[in-house]
Amino acid sequence: EAQVTQNPRYLITVTGKKLTVTCSQNMNHEYMSWYRQDPGLGLRQIYYSMNVEVTDKGDVPEGYKVSRKEKRNFPLILESPSPNQTSLYFCASGELGANTDTQYFGPGTRLTVL
Amino acid sequence: GNSVTQMEGPVTLSEEAFLTINCTYTATGYPSLFWYVQYPGEGLQLLLKATKADDKGSNKGFEATYRKETTSFHLEKGSVQVSDSAVYFCALGGLNTGTASKLTFGTGTRLQVTL
Repeated sequence: EAQVTQNPRYLITVTGKKLTVTCSQNMNHEYMSWYRQDPGLGLRQIYYSMNVEVTDKGDVPEGYKVSRKEKRNFPLILESPSPNQTSLYFCASGELGANTDTQYFGPGTRLTVL
Repeated sequence: GNSVTQMEGPVTLSEEAFLTINCTYTATGYPSLFWYVQYPGEGLQLLLKATKADDKGSNKGFEATYRKETTSFHLEKGSVQVSDSAVYFCALGGLNTGTASKLTFGTGTRLQVTL
């Protein structure tokens, strides 16, 4: 089954404790992206990657890191989480080419930073 | 820059009622337009899309027409069901230049359908 998976689905942590949210896709997509969803703000892009070893900042990259060492994986790293990073996070992937704008989303990771 | 404005919710309808969720956009160039749906506890799913002016996207009884003259992409369904209860996001994509572009989302509209 074609899908984007994220782990964990739920996470409660404390300020300053480094964490990683994993994202994996099995559709061989070049493009991957991270979004955060906050009430009244919709989804905002954090980082994206157009291929292995190629990453770029989105609209709200501060406080986040990503890496793209393999095509299928795109982990999101919070080196020192803060309460304003409490949010619902979505990973997405898509093809480059004729359908560049169609993205497929993971189930989401709800993060709470105390 | 690009932006999407959609009507605030929640929208509450009785089953079999007609649904319209308004969406307007601001963009340079000729974006693709999308409606995504988020069911409770799930990620976003692509509902329908349109890639050029006057295109109509449709899926599961939902329709939306890309109107360049009014910069709109309103979502409609003739007869909603309880199972349509979800949050609906309008989004636009950047120019299709062969490189990936980010999606710009509206704030989402919650739809609640009651019996």
